[in-house]
Amino acid sequence: EDKVVQSPLSLVVHEGDTVTLNCSYEVTNFRSLLWYKQEKKAPTFLFMLTSSGIEKKSGRLSSILDKKELFSILNITATQTGDSAVYLCAVALNTGNQFYFGTGTSLTVIP
Amino acid sequence: KAGVTQTPRYLIKTRGQQVTLSCSPISGHRSVSWYQQTPGQGLQFLFEYFSETQRNKGNFPGRFSGRQFSNSRSEMNVSTLELGDSALYLCASSLDSTNQPQHFGDGTRLSIL
Repeated sequence: EDKVVQSPLSLVVHEGDTVTLNCSYEVTNFRSLLWYKQEKKAPTFLFMLTSSGIEKKSGRLSSILDKKELFSILNITATQTGDSAVYLCAVALNTGNQFYFGTGTSLTVIP
Repeated sequence: KAGVTQTPRYLIKTRGQQVTLSCSPISGHRSVSWYQQTPGQGLQFLFEYFSETQRNKGNFPGRFSGRQFSNSRSEMNVSTLELGDSALYLCASSLDSTNQPQHFGDGTRLSIL
């Protein structure tokens, strides 16, 4: 059965800390791995990774994929209160346009 | 460019009733997927439509159905509502089956009394 597992389930940090969120997967027909940030409403797209070892960066956020060990990490440096959200990891399959989501990591950044 | 639009934003129904939710994808996007999000289960895939055809389906009972129109707008229907159907229903669209991310609407919050 295809599955995506995220850890930790929740995390509370202080502003300025660096956090690492984990996503491991077991799927057939892997196409890509995606990270989303969900605050109150719609998940918003952060990164899409298709190749191992290539780091994607956007400001204080970065992510990397390891297709051999079947996992990805999302790093957030110098965290701010605005980073508080649920971070979702999803794996896209080659069968049509199907995505499997993990249950998310809830990040709380306190001032 | 307008994002994914879902209507209504909130719905309250009673057990046994049926409900129809609507999703307008981003202009030019032909793939529309539906998800159910609950606190314990996360995002669960319902189905995906592309060019008016259901291309993928998740593990949900037949009470959950959908369709897509020629303008790519999609509707999802749930019949004989149960208390456990209370959830946030999210719609996501993407360009097509090539390697493109999905973009989500704000969802419809369905509460069953």
